[in-house]
Amino acid sequence: NAGVTQTPKFRILKIGQSMTLQCAQDMNHNYMYWYRQDPGMGLKLIYYSVGAGITDKGEVPNGYNVSRSTTEDFPLRLELAAPSQTSVYFCASRQPGAGGASPLHFGNGTRLTVT
Amino acid sequence: QKEVEQDPGPLSVPEGAIVSLNCTYSNSAFQYFMWYRQYSRKGPELLMYTYSSGNKEDGRFTAQVDKSSKYISLFIRDSQPSDSATYLCARSNTGNQFYFGTGTSLTVIP
Repeated sequence: NAGVTQTPKFRILKIGQSMTLQCAQDMNHNYMYWYRQDPGMGLKLIYYSVGAGITDKGEVPNGYNVSRSTTEDFPLRLELAAPSQTSVYFCASRQPGAGGASPLHFGNGTRLTVT
Repeated sequence: QKEVEQDPGPLSVPEGAIVSLNCTYSNSAFQYFMWYRQYSRKGPELLMYTYSSGNKEDGRFTAQVDKSSKYISLFIRDSQPSDSATYLCARSNTGNQFYFGTGTSLTVIP
């Protein structure tokens, strides 16, 4: 069982370039999330989705876009990359249980550097 | 005020020691709490989660929640070098807001 798979593992972008970070999960989870992790800052929510065709902004959505066409995939798009987007990006998923509560399951991240 | 405050560490202990990792939180609404372990260059890995006050044990790990003082702890017994990692505490309600601490770096010295 692969869980949450993120590709690529590493990427270097030049300022102004664009790219898509891929995320796929095989746990049939409806809920998926994108976080960024910066040193000393904790995890910040970028976007999330509660099912195919439904997405919503998190705490730090500016400069990013998402789509959710299938239950399994939740790609994150960076347009016009900026140095402030240098970070480690984590995709996560969960399946709410009774009462709606359930923990997040994370992928191993994509390390992005924008220079 | 941050939603979750976590002791920053770093923490260094000898192998076999009991480790105590701590967080405080600021909201009293319905909560459930999680502890994640994150190895270098890896994603956070769920260790434990709990809804209620009191202790929850899983092998060498015990999660403790004190809702009256808004305090959560993770205890690691008989610590091993393989426990060396960053530990993240988190809390959530039944919605989509998860609040993470900034992590405590732990090194267990053989």
